[in-house]
Amino acid sequence: AQTVTQSQPEMSVQEAETVTLSCTYDTSESDYYLFWYKQPPSRQMILVIRQEAYKQQNATENRFSVNFQKAAKSFSLKISDSQLGDAAMYFCAYTVIQGAQKLVFGQGTRLTINP
Amino acid sequence: ETGVTQTPRHLVMGMTNKKSLKCEQHLGHNAMYWYKQSAKKPLELMFVYNFKEQTENNSVPSRFSPECPNSSHLFLHLHTLQPEDSALYLCASSQVGVMNTEAFFGQGTRLTVV
Repeated sequence: AQTVTQSQPEMSVQEAETVTLSCTYDTSESDYYLFWYKQPPSRQMILVIRQEAYKQQNATENRFSVNFQKAAKSFSLKISDSQLGDAAMYFCAYTVIQGAQKLVFGQGTRLTINP
Repeated sequence: ETGVTQTPRHLVMGMTNKKSLKCEQHLGHNAMYWYKQSAKKPLELMFVYNFKEQTENNSVPSRFSPECPNSSHLFLHLHTLQPEDSALYLCASSQVGVMNTEAFFGQGTRLTVV
């Protein structure tokens, strides 16, 4: 069975600084997607970034980038120039490429931004 | 209209009550999902509907009964719940096909069973 592990229950960073959130996963599949979702106090899960496992290039979305290490099954999220609006729960998630998006989530990391 | 809308936002029910959660998506997707988010556990996939057909039931107790009358609407019927069923219930939708999209989530229903 696939599993996703986030070993940092809480992280904090100074505004404008950079922070990295860790995620590891376990799967026997070769083709899959990895995601980082953000859940602010409004509770809605918002997609931050997506990585296809067959792509060697790390995904980037503005201030957000990932470090995808397929052999190590590691998928960390780097947030640059942290902003107060980045404060939220961050979830790492996995799904296979074919078919419905049956997401397997990690436990989440609560990110606090200090002004 | 937001992409995925869930009602109600909050629900308090007794263990003998019957209630329903509603989810509506305005994204033209063909797959819909129910997830459960408990305080101490990762989000858990409960049900998957693909083209209105249930394709996944993740060993969910029968006191939770999903219904998908069309590809835009998804319900979760609740009866005889237990206090441990108190959680945030999230609905999501996605497009499944040649070009899969990621899942889009609603804001959830916070359920409290008393």
